[in-house]
Amino acid sequence: TQLLEQSPQFLSIQEGENLTVYCNSSSVFSSLQWYRQEPGEGPVLLVTVVTGGEVKKLKRLTFQFGDARKDSSLHITAAQPGDTGLYLCAGAKVRGFGNEKLTFGTGTRLTIIP
Amino acid sequence: NAGVTQTPKFQVLKTGQSMTLQCAQDMNHNSMYWYRQDPGMGLRLIYYSASEGTTDKGEVPNGYNVSRLNKREFSLRLESAAPSQTSVYFCASSEGTKETQYFGPGTRLLVL
Repeated sequence: TQLLEQSPQFLSIQEGENLTVYCNSSSVFSSLQWYRQEPGEGPVLLVTVVTGGEVKKLKRLTFQFGDARKDSSLHITAAQPGDTGLYLCAGAKVRGFGNEKLTFGTGTRLTIIP
Repeated sequence: NAGVTQTPKFQVLKTGQSMTLQCAQDMNHNSMYWYRQDPGMGLRLIYYSASEGTTDKGEVPNGYNVSRLNKREFSLRLESAAPSQTSVYFCASSEGTKETQYFGPGTRLLVL
């Protein structure tokens, strides 16, 4: 059973359109991270959200952490071809022993068509 | 600053051959990880090392072994490669197990 489900799994849209991808779980997380992976490279951190309801903006990308800290969304405004990539969310659970580790989501593969 | 480095970048093996993937980080991180990523899929954790001297199984450990050689280096060994192990392997490191992970460029492995 996947702890973090991301939707949609695949998304292909035209340049200039807006989109939202989701990261959902039944577990509560103390923090949630979003990574982007470009073809042929490893994932790179975009942002970390730590407070329920928190909204962070990174240029055209808006990240929100759910009030209950069980879910998160990523909204992209006016998508550009450079936004193409695999978007991964990763959560740190609230309860856990010292070595509790991040759990990665299933990923959303985004393609922006010029 | 090199960050996380992995060798080799590409490898082709025949079924039954063995090999070791090397990973090193220069950020003085405590925790290191090995993931595999199959086409169109997310990351699956193979093994991790929360701190020097410890290793733990992840989601898909079968067919793999690891060694945390020192604080900088974490290697992944395939004792008898199988076609199902064809994948891209990523090494990552972090300050602590809940902290931001920094990934290497990956090793692309093909097992024939």
